[in-house]
Amino acid sequence: QKEVEQNSGPLSVPEGAIASLNCTYSDRGSQSFFWYRQYSGKSPELIMSIYSNGDKEDGRFTAQLNKASQYVSLLIRDSQPSDSATYLCAVTGSGNTPLVFGKGTRLSVIA
Amino acid sequence: EPEVTQTPSHQVTQMGQEVILRCVPISNHLYFYWYRQILGQKVEFLVSFYNNEISEKSEIFDDQFSVERPDGSNFTLKIRSTKLEDSAMYFCASSEGLGSYGYTFGSGTRLTVV
Repeated sequence: QKEVEQNSGPLSVPEGAIASLNCTYSDRGSQSFFWYRQYSGKSPELIMSIYSNGDKEDGRFTAQLNKASQYVSLLIRDSQPSDSATYLCAVTGSGNTPLVFGKGTRLSVIA
Repeated sequence: EPEVTQTPSHQVTQMGQEVILRCVPISNHLYFYWYRQILGQKVEFLVSFYNNEISEKSEIFDDQFSVERPDGSNFTLKIRSTKLEDSAMYFCASSEGLGSYGYTFGSGTRLTVV
């Protein structure tokens, strides 16, 4: 059974701070890793993807991948109240099996 | 920006009734998916569909569920005899390809079984 684990939070950070969200996965053959943002009552929205070890930056977001440790993280710089949402880590398994989601980490950015 | 369209946005049905949830994926996408999210729980995979057939399904996707692509644009999920525990948000998603392609999700159908 492929598992994706996230700390459910809530993670509270002050406005302007860096929010750090973490995710671990069980399938060592996983190849593609995604971060989705989900506002309450809404659908998941893709914000970052990463496929190789290291960092990938896009605006205020940085995704980090460490396949040896089976660990993915998302950093949000200069956090804004509008970033308050649940962040879902999603992983494709070996053989490009469909996305498996973690339960998500609820982020609250306090103005 | 292209989007995945789902209808209806909210469906209330009586236990034992059949429901059909509809989706229009992004036009140049080849892979289609249904996921569900029970309130407060994780987004769970139900089924994937490619080239007019099911490519993978989860253990949740039992005989009461079926999917169909009746024409070139619509993708439907049918639940034959709904149970109370089928109450959830159902998301349709599509992608251009496998693996490194992220999925685009529709806005969802909230199904309430009473």
